[in-house]
Amino acid sequence: DTAVSQTPKYLVTQMGNDKSIKCEQNLGHDTMYWYKQDSKKFLKIMFSYNNKELIINETVPNRFSPKSPDKAHLNLHINSLELGDSAVYFCASSQSLGGYTFGSGTRLTVV
Amino acid sequence: AQRVTQPEKLLSVFKGAPVELKCNYSYSGSPELFWYVQYSRQRLQLLLRHISRESIKGFTADLNKGETSFHLKKPFAQEEDSAMYYCALSEGGATNKLIFGTGTLLAVQP
Repeated sequence: DTAVSQTPKYLVTQMGNDKSIKCEQNLGHDTMYWYKQDSKKFLKIMFSYNNKELIINETVPNRFSPKSPDKAHLNLHINSLELGDSAVYFCASSQSLGGYTFGSGTRLTVV
Repeated sequence: AQRVTQPEKLLSVFKGAPVELKCNYSYSGSPELFWYVQYSRQRLQLLLRHISRESIKGFTADLNKGETSFHLKKPFAQEEDSAMYYCALSEGGATNKLIFGTGTLLAVQP
C-alpha cells in the first residue's frame, strides 16, 4: 500500500489551462503539505493543512488553490497555467516533528 | 531568518572513499535537523533525524551547535549511494514546516 499517493504522475498541458493534482495519504497523519521542486531541484513549501485547516500559505500566486475535503486528502488546483509553473510538485504528510512522508511527485510541464 | 545552506551542488567521489556532505543552518531556537535522500526520479525519503542519533545505510550526522552544522558522513561510499541529498530544518510548532537546503548531488564513481 502506497502511504502518500499522487495523481497524475505526469501532466503535460497548454498555457492558460486549469488543472488539478490529487493527493491522498493512508497514514492517519493530521498534516499535509504541497512542495514545489523547480528545475534546479530546489524544494519550497507552498501550502500546509492541518486537519482540513490551512496553516501555511507561502507567497504563491493565487492561481494556486489547495483544497482539503478531509484530513486524508489535499488537492492542488492551478488556474491559468503559465510556463513558469512547470516543475515537480510533491505532496507530503506528517504526524511527528519533521517526519514527512512524501508522495512520488507530479511532473507538470506547461507548453 | 531560518536558512539551510548546502554549499556543494555536486560531490563526486570514488567507490570506497569517505563522504562528507556539508550542511549549515541559521535558526534562532533549538533546531530539529534532518537529512532526506532522493534517488533518481523517486520520492524523497527521510534518511536521518538528529534527535534519533541513528545510523542509516552507514550514514551518520552530528549536530554541532557551535558551528551550526549538521554534516552527513559515510566512511566508505557505495555506488548505490548516488542520489540527491537534502538537509532540512524543522520550525516545529503548529506548522512543522520543513525548510530545505538546495541539495547536494552525490555521484559515486566505480
